Amino acid sequence: GAGVSQSPSNKVTEKGKDVELRCDPISGHTALYWYRQSLGQGLEFLIYFQGNSAPDKSGLPSDRFSAERTGGSVSTLTIQRTQQEDSAVYLCASSLFDQGNNSPLHFGNGTRLTVT
Amino acid sequence: AQTVTQSQPEMSVQEAETVTLSCTYDTSESDYYLFWYKQPPSRQMILVIRQEAYKQQNATENRFSVNFQKAAKSFSLKISDSQLGDAAMYFCASSNRDDKIIFGKGTRLHILP
Repeated sequence: GAGVSQSPSNKVTEKGKDVELRCDPISGHTALYWYRQSLGQGLEFLIYFQGNSAPDKSGLPSDRFSAERTGGSVSTLTIQRTQQEDSAVYLCASSLFDQGNNSPLHFGNGTRLTVT
Repeated sequence: AQTVTQSQPEMSVQEAETVTLSCTYDTSESDYYLFWYKQPPSRQMILVIRQEAYKQQNATENRFSVNFQKAAKSFSLKISDSQLGDAAMYFCASSNRDDKIIFGKGTRLHILP
């Protein structure tokens, strides 16, 4: 079946512009994550959606970052007034959350964001 | 708060040899999960192996096995008979039950032919 889909795969934007990154999780997956991967920095947790619960936004680095998940499916990560330090690969992952038995994450291929 | 530490930024191993990647974690919970993920140059993250904290037996998946030391909060990954296709970034991760998954900074593994 289809995996996690992210778009665009690459995005180049000018400093100060807003960007939207999209994630289509695997159908039926109730958990959705956004991570940021910078060179040498591993995977930095940004935000976590689980079903109808309030999202865990504890990883968002500033109020310029926000994310939504509409209808429990598609998610959009928005970065306002982009800065050069926002340049990174943004990875989305989803999992089938079953009674707290953490199932494996299925990752998309990421969006490489470059802020010039 | 959960933390995951990988102290080896890079490692190298000769093809067909065995290598162990280290990982330590910290959590106040008693019920949690541990994972190793692989990220090859294609950038696609793949689950390698998973361990439930309440299980004492170390997880194994073919050439991959873990050494889970719960008291020491250590979760190392052993790769036996290393192959060229094992070259990748390896990330250790942990998750408390019903909570998000947190990753370490990763270890880049080089396989020497």
